[in-house]
Amino acid sequence: EIVMTQSPATLSVSPGERATLSCRASQSVSSNLAWYQQKPGQAPRLLIYGASTRATGFPARFSGSGSGTEFTLTISSLQSEDFAVYYCQQYNNWPPLTFGQGTRLEIK
Amino acid sequence: QVQLQESGPGLVKPSETLSLTCTVSGDSISNYYWSWIRQPPGKGLEWIGYVYYSGSTKYNPSLKSRVTISVDTSKNQFSLQLSSVTAADTAVYYCARRGGSYYFYFDYWGRGTLVTVSS
Repeated sequence: EIVMTQSPATLSVSPGERATLSCRASQSVSSNLAWYQQKPGQAPRLLIYGASTRATGFPARFSGSGSGTEFTLTISSLQSEDFAVYYCQQYNNWPPLTFGQGTRLEIK
Repeated sequence: QVQLQESGPGLVKPSETLSLTCTVSGDSISNYYWSWIRQPPGKGLEWIGYVYYSGSTKYNPSLKSRVTISVDTSKNQFSLQLSSVTAADTAVYYCARRGGSYYFYFDYWGRGTLVTVSS
């Protein structure tokens, strides 16, 4: 099973600043990685797939990068609606499909 | 606009079987893969398994012995059964659709339903 490790567990950032979230895979997942955004009481929402392709409805301030075992989600200028929990998910080597434990992005 | 809606009992007794149904609207259930994913309170996401509209399935090895996922194309629904539940199965259960034509990420999710395992 591929283990996905996200860091940090919690990230405190001020509105308008940049946020950088990391996701590491226990073995290479190529570019078969997705990111999801989850707000309290809501289902996760697909944000990025293929490591760097933005899903419908998300603005350009969200970007994904990386391949192999190291991935990054960057939010260039945080808006109030961006504070949420972010999960990465690998779909390269499965079953099982596996998720990271999440990074909580909170307002500083 | 594709919509998914989970339904089923919110409370299940230990050792019994958890049963949930996901109703898909806005598109046909055919030609897609459909999954169940769960999230224990305050924790992360765990993929349970998928069913294809043809009926083929694949499960998380950690749950395989207890899980059955089935599809009813006439009702545009698919279902989850999880047997011999314990408190560790308490979670919000989501149904979701595979987004990529080949790759297994999830583009549409239901709102989720909380299932509590307790006597």
